[in-house]
Amino acid sequence: DADVTQTPRNRITKTGKRIMLECSQTKGHDRMYWYRQDPGLGLRLIYYSFDVKDINKGEISDGYSVSRQAQAKFSLSLESAIPNQTALYFCATSDPKDYHNEQFFGPGTRLTVL
Amino acid sequence: DQQVKQNSPSLSVQEGRISILNCDYTNSMFDYFLWYKKYPAEGPTFLISISSIKDKNEDGRFTVFLNKSAKHLSLHIVPSQPGDSAVYFCAASARYGGSQGNLIFGKGTKLSVKP
Repeated sequence: DADVTQTPRNRITKTGKRIMLECSQTKGHDRMYWYRQDPGLGLRLIYYSFDVKDINKGEISDGYSVSRQAQAKFSLSLESAIPNQTALYFCATSDPKDYHNEQFFGPGTRLTVL
Repeated sequence: DQQVKQNSPSLSVQEGRISILNCDYTNSMFDYFLWYKKYPAEGPTFLISISSIKDKNEDGRFTVFLNKSAKHLSLHIVPSQPGDSAVYFCAASARYGGSQGNLIFGKGTKLSVKP
């Protein structure tokens, strides 16, 4: 079984709809992250959480919110989706005891906003 | 302003030859560098890393070189194989300096290895 799972894997929605992307991990890591990938732009950090009570904005947090429901679960919400949020979204985890913060990624969610 | 730059969006190499992927950075606080590999429809996976106290790290066919004075690192794949065809991301982190050790990624280089 995969260590980091994301649901759904694909989603098509309409402008203005509320969308939630979910991430679960079995690695026991405290740190979790949400990234988006756009063609030619690499991976950009949206939000990150270092434990259940900790939420931090990343490089591109506008239009997104997150919830860390438990150590193993970190969800990303788009309150009112817009077309330029069409992208690949990745969840990742890391172990704070890992000195160099190697991150482990989920398989991604492809989101299309029409 | 991009702190980690991969200036070649794509690279095509013949099977068996060497692939060299380049990465430049601007933040002198970066002290650890990683390369990730990404296949279509999958998440990025860790490939190899290097600490700023070293100038070379080797793992099988993969070697990463770091030139701190030039703020440049490169990933060498020898010999290249068709299964190496993927997008390669360079990433950097800094233990100090306010970024909390988060990874900063380049835009990626798409490697195609032709049989």
